[in-house]
Formats: sequence, structure tokens, C-alpha cells
Amino acid sequence: KNQVEQSPQSLIILEGKNCTLQCNYTVSPFSNLRWYKQDTGRGPVSLTIMTFSENTKSNGRYTATLDADTKQSSLHITASQLSDSASYICVVSYPWGKLQFGAGTQVVVTP
Amino acid sequence: EPEVTQTPSHQVTQMGQEVILRCVPISNHLYFYWYRQILGQKVEFLVSFYNNEISEKSEIFDDQFSVERPDGSNFTLKIRSTKLEDSAMYFCASSEATSGISYNEQFFGPGTRLTVL
Repeated sequence: KNQVEQSPQSLIILEGKNCTLQCNYTVSPFSNLRWYKQDTGRGPVSLTIMTFSENTKSNGRYTATLDADTKQSSLHITASQLSDSASYICVVSYPWGKLQFGAGTQVVVTP
Repeated sequence: EPEVTQTPSHQVTQMGQEVILRCVPISNHLYFYWYRQILGQKVEFLVSFYNNEISEKSEIFDDQFSVERPDGSNFTLKIRSTKLEDSAMYFCASSEATSGISYNEQFFGPGTRLTVL
């Protein structure tokens, strides 16, 4: 079954610290992998999009990695800020554009 | 910066009633989507729409659901006879058609929270 699994389910970090979120997927066929940020009660906002040939992509303090062989991805947040508190969702795209969402990792940044 | 807009932000309806959720995609986008997110659960794909027809639909998108682009700007999702389990946040999204459908970034609207009583 095509799945996108994320870990941890939630985490709490101190402002200024770094954290890494994990994503494993079994979606096939695979076109690209995306990370979205979703604030509570809002729509998801794209952070990165990576094809199978890309190993890493950065967007400011967010850096995503992809290992298409092991079907794993990570999202690293550097020097976290209070505004980083949100759900971070790993999403895999089929070649025809349909998106398969993970359940998300809820990140809480505390002062 | 252009954005996807959705109305209403919150819709409360009685079970069995019809609802229409409205979306205005970004003006130069050609692909349109509806997703739903039941409270506490992950976002689920409902339907994609291109060139005035459905490109793909999920098993959730049964005969009670329909989509329409009634004019050049609006994109609507209609639920004919709502059920309690239709209560969810419904997101509209749109994307360009420049890099191939699977690579285009999808821009999401703020969502409509549907509550079925």
C-alpha cells in the first residue's frame, strides 16, 4: 500500500535549537517529494520540492534531504524560531500529480 | 503576491443538506484540486481538475461530490447530501502547467471548515 510515514509524531524544542524530522515512504511510482508547513487552521505552504535525482534542497533555515534508494527523507530546521511552531508534512507526488500526504510532525518551539 | 482564496471560511449545515464550497484559484493557474482534512488526521486528496474536466478522483469522491468551474475564476465543490462524516476542513489548491503536472508547486487556500450537524 502506498504510504508516507513520519516521525516523530510531535516534538518540543527550545528556541534557537536545531531539529530533524524524518519521513519514510513506499509510494510508487514516485515523481517527487515535498515538505509542507501547515500552521493551525491554515492551508499547507510548500517549503521544498525534490525529484529523485536531488539529494538536498534548502529554503532558508529549512534543509531537506532525500535518499531515493532507501525511500527516506528528512527535514532539518536550523536555529528554530517561535514562528516555526507548526505541523510539517512530508508529501510524495505521483507522476500524474496526485499528492500522498503524511500525517505530519507537530513541532512546538518554546522560548 | 497572488493567493488562492476560499469562501466561506466556516460552513455549518444540517445532515442531508447540499453545500457548495467556493474557491478562486490563482489567475494564471490551470490545474485545480480539492483536498480534505478531518480534524486530527492527514490531508487527503479528493479530486483534480484540468481543462474543464476531472483528471483524477479518489475513492472518497463518490456520487455525492461534484466539481465545477462555472466561470473563468471560480472553482466549486458541491456535496449533494451531506453526512456527519463529511465534517472536515476542505482545501482548494491550484498550480501552473509549465513544468509538467507532477513538478508544479500546488498553492493551497486557507480552507473552509465544514461542520455537519
